[in-house]
Amino acid sequence: AQTVTQSQPEMSVQEAETVTLSCTYDTSESDYYLFWYKQPPSRQMILVIRQEAYKQQNATENRFSVNFQKAAKSFSLKISDSQLGDAAMYFCAYRSAANFGNEKLTFGTGTRLTIIP
Amino acid sequence: DTEVTQTPKHLVMGMTNKKSLKCEQHMGHRAMYWYKQKAKKPPELMFVYSYEKLSINESVPSRFSPECPNSSLLNLHLHALQPEDSALYLCASSQDDRGWTGELFFGEGSRLTVL
Repeated sequence: AQTVTQSQPEMSVQEAETVTLSCTYDTSESDYYLFWYKQPPSRQMILVIRQEAYKQQNATENRFSVNFQKAAKSFSLKISDSQLGDAAMYFCAYRSAANFGNEKLTFGTGTRLTIIP
Repeated sequence: DTEVTQTPKHLVMGMTNKKSLKCEQHMGHRAMYWYKQKAKKPPELMFVYSYEKLSINESVPSRFSPECPNSSLLNLHLHALQPEDSALYLCASSQDDRGWTGELFFGEGSRLTVL
């Protein structure tokens, strides 16, 4: 079974600075998707960024980028120019890309990010 | 329309009540999910419907009864719940066919309190 580990329960960063959230995962599959979801106090889970495992290039979405190290099974999220609206719980998640049995999205335990004004 | 809509947003019920949570999406997604989330924890998968058929039941107690009347609607019927069932219940949908990108789209959740 796949597992996702987020070793940082809480992180804080000064507004406008850069922060990196860590995520490692364990899988025997070669084809899969990795995601970072954000859950603010309003509680809706919002997709921040997605990475396909077969793509070597790291995904970027505006101020958000990932460092995907497939061999090391590492998938960290970098947030540049942090803004107050970035304060939230961030979940790393894994999903198989297999033809069958791919319905499950496996979440890490989350990292609570605080932005200091 | 990229929304998953859940109603009600808040629900308080007694242990003998029968209530339902509703979820709706109009993105043409073929898979729909129920998750349960306790405070400061990640969501836990409860049920998955794929093409309107139940494909995953994560050994959820029978006091939770899912229903998928059509591809756009997902219900969760609640009966004889326990106080420990109090949680945020999240609905999600996913395309899961041609053009699949793997991501799930989540609703805002229904906050359930069982007294």
